[in-house]
Parts: sequence; structure tokens; C-alpha cells
Amino acid sequence: SQTIHQWPATLVQPVGSPLSLECTVEGTSNPNLYWYRQAAGRGLQLLFYSVGIGQISSEVPQNLSASRPQDRQFILSSKKLLLSDSGFYLCAWSDKTHRGWTDTQYFGPGTRLTVL
Amino acid sequence: KQEVTQIPAALSVPEGENLVLNCSFTDSAIYNLQWFRQDPGKGLTSLLLIQSSQREQTSGRLNASLDKSSGRSTLYIAASQPGDSATYLCAALNTGNQFYFGTGTSLTVIP
Repeated sequence: SQTIHQWPATLVQPVGSPLSLECTVEGTSNPNLYWYRQAAGRGLQLLFYSVGIGQISSEVPQNLSASRPQDRQFILSSKKLLLSDSGFYLCAWSDKTHRGWTDTQYFGPGTRLTVL
Repeated sequence: KQEVTQIPAALSVPEGENLVLNCSFTDSAIYNLQWFRQDPGKGLTSLLLIQSSQREQTSGRLNASLDKSSGRSTLYIAASQPGDSATYLCAALNTGNQFYFGTGTSLTVIP
């Protein structure tokens, strides 16, 4: 069966510090990978998605970046955190299908980031 | 761009009551519409998936319907229980392979 891991579970960082959040998927190959942010009282905001190693699409301009160094590893980074980066970060994966009718996403447990 | 809206934002009901959560979307060119559950501080868990050619899906006490022409979906929960308390999100998968999420409905079932 497939599992998705995220770490750390919680993180408190000062403004201006760097960030690295990691997500790994087990039990599947060549998945689509996604990073979302969920701010308090707001919906899920898609930040990045990747269809393969080294292939990253950015949905929202910001001071965050993403990388996919391996097939089942997705990393979210920042060189300098802002207060507005606080939120709940979720990683997700989905299978690739030709038609998409049954496509769904499987979510990790999330990382709670607080920037002070 | 697809916009997904959920009403109400919060709902509180006594245990045993039947309830309906609403989801609306602006672009009917979707592959499917999904309902997720999110417990506080946790990730999302898929509840029901309705393909664009389907009208409804059922799982236990949950029933989700889809009306593509009007851009609406509903999640019906029968005989609500305290364990149903969570945030429920709907998401539309567009033909461009993008998932668009609503802001969610926070449900509290009072024992």
C-alpha cells in the first residue's frame, strides 16, 4: 500500500531564517506531487506541483521554491521566511491516468509552520 | 480559473440530525468532484469521488450528488454522530489536471 510522509510535524522559525520541508511517498512510482498551504480560515492554496523529477510548476509567486531530486521526494524550501509564510503545509500525491476520471489525491499529515 | 465555494462555512447540529453541505463550482469542465474530510491539525482523507458522468455516490451514511450543469454538489450526512465533527472540503478536478479546493465547512455534532 502507498504511504506519504512529511516532516517535521511542527516547526517554529524566526523571520528571515531558511526553511526546508520534506515529503516522501512509498508504494508507488512516477506520481504527481503537490505542495499546498492552508492558512487559518482559508482554503487550500496550491503552491507547486510536479509531474516528474526536476519538473516543477509554480502556481503562486512567492519567496518559496520546490524541488524534486528523486521520483518520490518533494522538498519545499525558502531562503528567508516571512511572517506571512505561517500556515499548515500539506504534501499530496496522485497517480497518472490517461483520462483522470478516477483521479484523487492522497495527503500527508502536514507540517504546522509558525514564523515569529 | 475554477472557483469553488462552500456554504455554510460552519455548522453545528445535535447528534442524530441529517444534514447537507453545499459546494458550488464555476467551471463545469471537470473530470470529477470529490469530498474530503479534515480533522484538526491533520491531512485530508478522501470520502467520496463522483465522476463527471455520474450523478451520485454513496458510502455508508454519506451520499454525495453532482449536478454539473448547475455547478453544484451536495454532501448528505445521515444520522450525524459526534465523530463526524470535522472540516469537510470539496474539490473539483479540472480537465487541465488541476485540483481546486473549496474553503470548507466546519461541522460540529453536539452529543
